[in-house]
Amino acid sequence: SYVLTQPPSVSVAPGQTARITCGGNNIGSKSVHWYQQKPGQAPVLVVYDDSDRPSGIPERFSGSNSGNTATLTISRVEAGDEADYYCQVWDSSSDHPGVFGGGTKLTVL
Amino acid sequence: EVQLVESGGGLVQPGGSLRLSCAASGFTFSSYEMNWVRQAPGKGLEWVSYISSSGSTIYYADSVKGRFTISRDNAKNSLYLQMNSLRAEDTAVYYCAREPQRGNWFDPWGQGTLVTVSS
Repeated sequence: SYVLTQPPSVSVAPGQTARITCGGNNIGSKSVHWYQQKPGQAPVLVVYDDSDRPSGIPERFSGSNSGNTATLTISRVEAGDEADYYCQVWDSSSDHPGVFGGGTKLTVL
Repeated sequence: EVQLVESGGGLVQPGGSLRLSCAASGFTFSSYEMNWVRQAPGKGLEWVSYISSSGSTIYYADSVKGRFTISRDNAKNSLYLQMNSLRAEDTAVYYCAREPQRGNWFDPWGQGTLVTVSS
């Protein structure tokens, strides 16, 4: 089955840029989606189809996907961005197609 | 407003059964594919099951296949997850989540319902 690999943690100072990676075999050929989850809350979609943003999500959140790595980029990081972030793909070739990465804890220093 | 509300969680003994429900409102439920996703305490997200808008196509994670059954009642705007032969490792918050009509992401999510499997 398809595996997505994320770093367990990323730390960044306020105002700087955070980059969270999601690795997978030829992930560039798939559509990658990203979720933000704050403690005690349900996940919220922040990027879909590699780089599109749902309405209400700040432009500071962006995504890219190429080769074996997809990246969620958060510009001008704010304290309120501190959360767990998960990447997700749909592996259409599988009979258990839903796949999440292990998650990355973003810490704002 | 699009809303998903899960219910049915609780404490159950190993080997027991539980049925989760997800009540949908604010959209045409019968037009959307739906999923269940769970999160064990302190752990990451795990996709559990998918059902197409008509209910004709269903998928399960290997960890629950043969024990869990996903279903839906479009007349009642409701999604279900029947969980049998529960194990301690099934302890988690269970979320229902909608897929868009084009694409395979999850938005929105319900608030979740906690299932605890313990003697």
